[in-house]
Amino acid sequence: GDSVTQMEGPVTLSEEAFLTINCTYTATGYPSLFWYVQYPGEGLQLLLKATKADDKGSNKGFEATYRKETTSFHLEKGSVQVSDSAVYFCALSDHHAGGTSYGKLTFGQGTILTVHP
Amino acid sequence: GAVVSQHPSRVICKSGTSVKIECRSLDFQATTMFWYRQFPKQSLMLMATSNEGSKATYEQGVEKDKFLINHASLTLSTLTVTSAHPEDSSFYICSALEGPQLSEQYFGPGTRLTVT
Repeated sequence: GDSVTQMEGPVTLSEEAFLTINCTYTATGYPSLFWYVQYPGEGLQLLLKATKADDKGSNKGFEATYRKETTSFHLEKGSVQVSDSAVYFCALSDHHAGGTSYGKLTFGQGTILTVHP
Repeated sequence: GAVVSQHPSRVICKSGTSVKIECRSLDFQATTMFWYRQFPKQSLMLMATSNEGSKATYEQGVEKDKFLINHASLTLSTLTVTSAHPEDSSFYICSALEGPQLSEQYFGPGTRLTVT
C-alpha cells in the first residue's frame, strides 16, 4: 500500500536559518504529492503541491520538487521566520487507486518545526 | 479558498453517551468528505470516506457501528461517536473534495473530543 515517511522532529531553528524536512514515499500508481501545514490551534492548510515528476511546488518561500527517481518530496525554505513554527505534513494522493480511494490522502507522521527569534 | 467548518470545536461528554460532530462545506458542494482522527503529536489517520447519498467506506480497523457517518447532503457530513469511551478522546478532522473532479482537499479546523 501507499505510505509516506517524514523526517522525525521536532526541528528547532533560529530565525533566518535554512530549513529542510525530508519526505519519501511509496505508491502503487503515479501520485500527486502535497505538503500541508498546521498552525497551532488551526486546521490543516495546503502549503504546496506537485502533480507529476520534476514539478516544483512553491508557496510562501517554501519549495519542494517531485523526484520520481528517489521517490522524494523534500520541503525547503531558505530563511525561516518565527511565524513558520507549525507542524508540517507530507502527503500523497494516488489517482490510480480509483473507486472509493479516489482523492484519499496518505499522510506522513508530521514534523514539528519551532523557530526561535 | 473554499471553507470547511466543523461544529462543535470542542466537546466534553460522559462515558457511554453519544456525540455528533458536523462537517460543512460553506461555499462549495462536496460530493466526497473524509473523516480523520489525529492523536497527540501524531499524524492523521483516515477513518472513513463519505460520499453523498451512499454509505461511508471505512478504513480497516475502524468500527462502523461505533463511528456512524452520514453524508446527507452535498454540504454536510456528520460523524457520531456512539457509546463513547475515554479512549475515543481525540482530535477529529474532516475534509471535503470540491465537486466530482480531482481537486484540492479542504480541511475543517477539527473537533476536540474529550470523554470523561
